Amino acid sequence: QKEVEQDPGPLSVPEGAIVSLNCTYSNSAFQYFMWYRQYSRKGPELLMYTYSSGNKEDGRFTAQVDKSSKYISLFIRDSQPSDSATYLCAIPTGTYKYIFGTGTRLKVLA
Amino acid sequence: DGGITQSPKYLFRKEGQNVTLSCEQNLNHDAMYWYRQDPGQGLRLIYYSQIVNDFQKGDIAEGYSVSREKKESFPLTVTSAQKNPTAFYLCATNNGGADTQYFGPGTRLTVL
Repeated sequence: QKEVEQDPGPLSVPEGAIVSLNCTYSNSAFQYFMWYRQYSRKGPELLMYTYSSGNKEDGRFTAQVDKSSKYISLFIRDSQPSDSATYLCAIPTGTYKYIFGTGTRLKVLA
Repeated sequence: DGGITQSPKYLFRKEGQNVTLSCEQNLNHDAMYWYRQDPGQGLRLIYYSQIVNDFQKGDIAEGYSVSREKKESFPLTVTSAQKNPTAFYLCATNNGGADTQYFGPGTRLTVL
């Protein structure tokens, strides 16, 4: 079983839709969870950083962690064409290593 | 202007050649990382360095080498021993542990 799994998509939605992106992970000891956004041919940029369970909101973006199910989600409200990118979940393992999901490619259609 | 720079942006290499990718940072971060990104495989760790003059192999170090002579710089050499070097290479930095990793803009390496 992979340490983190993410549906690669692609996911196409109309402008204004609510988008749900998800990852599952296997190690219940993980405490920190991140979402990165990566535009085509660019480096990833941090979008959201959460600790333990619960929700964190930043503008149109909400990150949710359910540690009992080992499931993390990123919701995008009122999606815009500029949100079209690949979204990667990332989990620090407690040492110097991160594990990354494979990324979900999102396309928001105008 | 703080950040991470990677050069060149695009690099073409003939088979059998070694090439060196540059990564420079002025964020004063202790740790630096090299990742390789291939379609459908996410980011895979090649090497990382926690402090100057020290570095550790990541998950896919074979065919790669690094040095860390200065805090600001962590160059990656892709040797001729790397069987499938065509990929997008990303450098990242942080202050270690669960601290946020910040990424450079990447270098696209193509072997002809």
